[in-house]
Amino acid sequence: AQRVTQPEKLLSVFKGAPVELKCNYSYSGSPELFWYVQYSRQRLQLLLRHISRESIKGFTADLNKGETSFHLKKPFAQEEDSAMYYCALSGWNAGNMLTFGGGTRLMVKP
Amino acid sequence: NAGVTQTPKFQVLKTGQSMTLQCAQDMNHNSMYWYRQDPGMGLRLIYYSASEGTTDKGEVPNGYNVSRLNKREFSLRLESAAPSQTSVYFCASRGTRTGEFEAFFGQGTRLTVV
Repeated sequence: AQRVTQPEKLLSVFKGAPVELKCNYSYSGSPELFWYVQYSRQRLQLLLRHISRESIKGFTADLNKGETSFHLKKPFAQEEDSAMYYCALSGWNAGNMLTFGGGTRLMVKP
Repeated sequence: NAGVTQTPKFQVLKTGQSMTLQCAQDMNHNSMYWYRQDPGMGLRLIYYSASEGTTDKGEVPNGYNVSRLNKREFSLRLESAAPSQTSVYFCASRGTRTGEFEAFFGQGTRLTVV
């Protein structure tokens, strides 16, 4: 079975502070991992994917297979980063389930 | 290009009533998914369809049925609604060809069962 765990339901930081949203997973194989974001009144959308290893809106995430983690980080949070963040996992085979974690609400205070 | 379209956006049902949530995508994606979103529970997979003609149970399938009508459409049916099914429902689609990995979501259906 595949599972994604986001231990923090709410993370509140001040503008300019570093942010780390935690994600742990379990999967018997090599997973494909993603971070999705849902801004207020908007659709859920892809933020980044582990394989691309790129920075989107200042966010980065590194896959740690030893710790089975895929934490999302940003060195300096901005107020516009306030949103719901979901970590997601899929197998590499076509048509695999896409499983989401419980989500973390990030609040960036001015 | 509409992406993923869900109908209706809002619905109130009485306990025991039935309804079907409709979802259609215009991106020629093979895979489609139905999720429910509850506070503190995140997105939980109800059913998914890897390709036209196939459907599989997700994490929370009880009380729901699905139909993959064709490649574009994937409907979710509640045969006898219960208050525990009050939730926001999201449909998503995802391609399975090389280079396709992003899931695209509908705007959601807010369902209240009283």
